[in-house]
Amino acid sequence: AQSVTQPDIHITVSEGASLELRCNYSYGATPYLFWYVQSPGQGLQLLLKYFSGDTLVQGIKGFEAEFKRSQSSFNLRKPSVHWSDAAEYFCAVARKRSNDYKLSFGAGTTVTVRA
Amino acid sequence: DVKVTQSSRYLVKRTGEKVFLECVQDMDHENMFWYRQDPGLGLRLIYFSYDVKMKEKGDIPEGYSVSREKKERFSLILESASTNQTSMYLCASSSRVGRDTIYFGEGSWLTVV
Repeated sequence: AQSVTQPDIHITVSEGASLELRCNYSYGATPYLFWYVQSPGQGLQLLLKYFSGDTLVQGIKGFEAEFKRSQSSFNLRKPSVHWSDAAEYFCAVARKRSNDYKLSFGAGTTVTVRA
Repeated sequence: DVKVTQSSRYLVKRTGEKVFLECVQDMDHENMFWYRQDPGLGLRLIYFSYDVKMKEKGDIPEGYSVSREKKERFSLILESASTNQTSMYLCASSSRVGRDTIYFGEGSWLTVV
């Protein structure tokens, strides 16, 4: 069975500082990896995804993530955080089931941005 | 712009009531999903559907059922609501073309009293 672990429940960062959110997965094969963001009271929005190829993936809102097979990790980064980045972030892994995909999510990391 | 609409944002129901959560997508997607979101647990898959009238259990199907009579609509049913089903419910959809993005609705907050 696959699983997704986000070790940090809550991170506080100053506006303008860098941000890194950790994600580790366990899966028997190369997974498809995603990061989603959820603003308060809203649904989830896709930030970026990795399927194959270049292990450094660029996403929306200035986010990037790096797939490291040796560490089974897919950490999310942003060089300079804005107050609007305060949200909950979810890492997700897709497993292939016939021709379709199901997502399994981590427990989420809440990001607080202080002025 | 893609759209997944959950008809009820906030509901309060009594224990034992039958509850329907409706979800409609306008993207002609084959796949539709119902997730439950609880603090510290992330999103957990309840049921999913790959086609009309087709459904499969997710990770936590107990106490729930679903209906997909039309491609664009996927309903989650709580036959007899219980207080431990108080949660945020998220509907999602995706194309059957592999690796496609899964799009989420804004969620339905259900409180069972």
